[in-house]
Amino acid sequence: ETVVTQSPATLSVSPGERATLSCRASQSISGNLAWYQQKPGQSPRLLIYGASTRATGIPARFSGSGSGTEFTLTISSLQSEDFAVYYCQLYNNWPPALTFGGGTKVEIK
Amino acid sequence: QVQLVQSGAEVKRPGASVKVSCKASGYTFSRYAIHWVRQAPGQRPEWMGWINVGNGNPVYSQKFQGRVTFTRDTSASTVYMELGSLKSEDTAVYYCARLMDPSRYFDWYFDLWGRGTLVTVSS
Repeated sequence: ETVVTQSPATLSVSPGERATLSCRASQSISGNLAWYQQKPGQSPRLLIYGASTRATGIPARFSGSGSGTEFTLTISSLQSEDFAVYYCQLYNNWPPALTFGGGTKVEIK
Repeated sequence: QVQLVQSGAEVKRPGASVKVSCKASGYTFSRYAIHWVRQAPGQRPEWMGWINVGNGNPVYSQKFQGRVTFTRDTSASTVYMELGSLKSEDTAVYYCARLMDPSRYFDWYFDLWGRGTLVTVSS
């Protein structure tokens, strides 16, 4: 089973600053990775898929990069609505498995 | 409006079963696979498996194999998740999620989620 580790667990950032979130897989997953944003009491929201493609309607300040085992989500200039928990998600089709990282909470500094 | 509407919260005793529904609207139901994900309080989401809505074939995560069943009713545009032999550790919000691209069954990204169903297991 592929283990997914996100860091840091909590990131304190001021509005307007840049945030960089990391996701590491225990084995290479090519580009089969997504990023989701989740706010309290809400369902996850797809931000990035295929490691670097923004989902429909996602602002350009969100960007994803990486391949293999190391991936990054960057929020170029944090807005008030961006304070949330961010999860990376990877998958393998066979044997079927889909795993979420432990999440990074982006909080207001 | 494109949406997935889930059934309401449930409280169950240990050892019981729960069945959660997920009703789709606003799109062609049979084209999109549906996955099930649960999230215990304060924890990361956990994948349970998926169902090919077109032919009804389910695929289960190894962790839940033998304890979970996915079904669908095409006439009602609804998929169901039934989890049996409930334990306190099954207390979680259960989500249904739609695969983003219906032509790419093996790209597991989800662009549409239900609002979740809280299942509480307590004696």
